[in-house]
Amino acid sequence: DAGVIQSPRHEVTEMGQEVTLRCKPISGHNSLFWYRQTMMRGLELLIYFNNNVPIDDSGMPEDRFSAKMPNASFSTLKIQPSEPRDSAVYFCASSLGRGLVPRGTDTQYFGPGTRLTVL
Amino acid sequence: GIQVEQSPPDLILQEGANSTLRCNFSDSVNNLQWFHQNPWGQLINLFYIPSGTKQNGRLSATTVATERYSLLYISSCQTADSGVYFCAVGQPSRDQGAQKLVFGQGTRLTINP
Repeated sequence: DAGVIQSPRHEVTEMGQEVTLRCKPISGHNSLFWYRQTMMRGLELLIYFNNNVPIDDSGMPEDRFSAKMPNASFSTLKIQPSEPRDSAVYFCASSLGRGLVPRGTDTQYFGPGTRLTVL
Repeated sequence: GIQVEQSPPDLILQEGANSTLRCNFSDSVNNLQWFHQNPWGQLINLFYIPSGTKQNGRLSATTVATERYSLLYISSCQTADSGVYFCAVGQPSRDQGAQKLVFGQGTRLTINP
């Protein structure tokens, strides 16, 4: 299996521009997570989906952030307009989902991350 | 919300030494995972261990859910073990899908040759 795939791996943009990050979860996984990692705040969950439906978006910092999962194999995280304080590493992760597997196997697998720099 | 505290924040050891990393959490959990973030930034899942003990080679983990802590042991540390180790916990929810995880701040482990 190729694992969780994210693109781009690096993104440098100017303040005010739209940024779109992409994620392909592991095939067969039903849950997808978007995280942000910064030195100041560590790893934070932004939003997660079960079966393509957003379940909890309480971690999305503000309306400039939006996420979609149009199908089971693709998700996007969009920032519009971007600001310098959005600079961070954004991770996507996927898991099988507890409801469909025996207890004790809901492991999350992370993609390589997208390093975003907003100038 | 639930609080996750990891200790120590930094640990520097010589190659061959053993290490113990601790994770304390403030409420009942039914999901606990340990991750290793290597120097290149990749996050690797080490254990899914909401309770009990598991071992994988030189690594083992124990979670005592009733006392709200988990320990990660690394024996005979190697330079490749360097990086940041994160503990993440999840709490019961009505939703039958996957749970959200709350991460600790991590323990930075440095193994010197």
